[in-house]
Amino acid sequence: NSKVIQTPRYLVKGQGQKAKMRCIPEKGHPVVFWYQQNKNNEFKFLINFQNQEVLQQIDMTEKRFSAECPSNSPCSLEIQSSEAGDSALYLCASSLTNSDYTFGSGTRLLVI
Amino acid sequence: GDSVTQKQGQVTLSEDDFLFINCTYSTTTYPTLLWYVQYLGQGPQLLLKVTTANNKGISRGFEATYDKGTTSFHLQKASVQESDSAVYFCALGMSNYNVLYFGSGTKLTVEP
Repeated sequence: NSKVIQTPRYLVKGQGQKAKMRCIPEKGHPVVFWYQQNKNNEFKFLINFQNQEVLQQIDMTEKRFSAECPSNSPCSLEIQSSEAGDSALYLCASSLTNSDYTFGSGTRLLVI
Repeated sequence: GDSVTQKQGQVTLSEDDFLFINCTYSTTTYPTLLWYVQYLGQGPQLLLKVTTANNKGISRGFEATYDKGTTSFHLQKASVQESDSAVYFCALGMSNYNVLYFGSGTKLTVEP
């Protein structure tokens, strides 16, 4: 049982629709990451936060994705206008300040 | 740039066989080297972590040894069980905001 809780487990959206997923990090973990895992098992780092502030994000995330990690609320990742190529497993992970991530079970997005 | 390579996409073994999965990496800094295991329908779980200081990690019967000379980080287990069937990823943990670089994964199938 993961200590990082991701909802929903599955998400189906039409192209152009917004897709939003949420993550509750492990208690006491100040750093939160979002990764995209495609059908070939390849991981792509999207964005990470430390105490609600963005540490680093890739170009794609800046343009079509929005993410936030407000205090006392779940973190969220939203795709503003879904594309077929966004179909993937979206994984949230949290950590202290080292490499020991705890991953959630992911949100599997299907864009049709 | 920083990268990690796993060339074995799939490995099929019988119970009690020896497991060896190769992973090589490239970086100009001192990384943390990790192995994650992902079971079907779940997020990745940390299996082992090795730093350049300790050279070896052992967990749940799995062992990983870091070889600075060949920049490799192999995973091995003396006797696999059917329950070990999963996808195994090696990862490079960088000090830059702790973003992980994942290998492409090795799908292990253990037949009874």
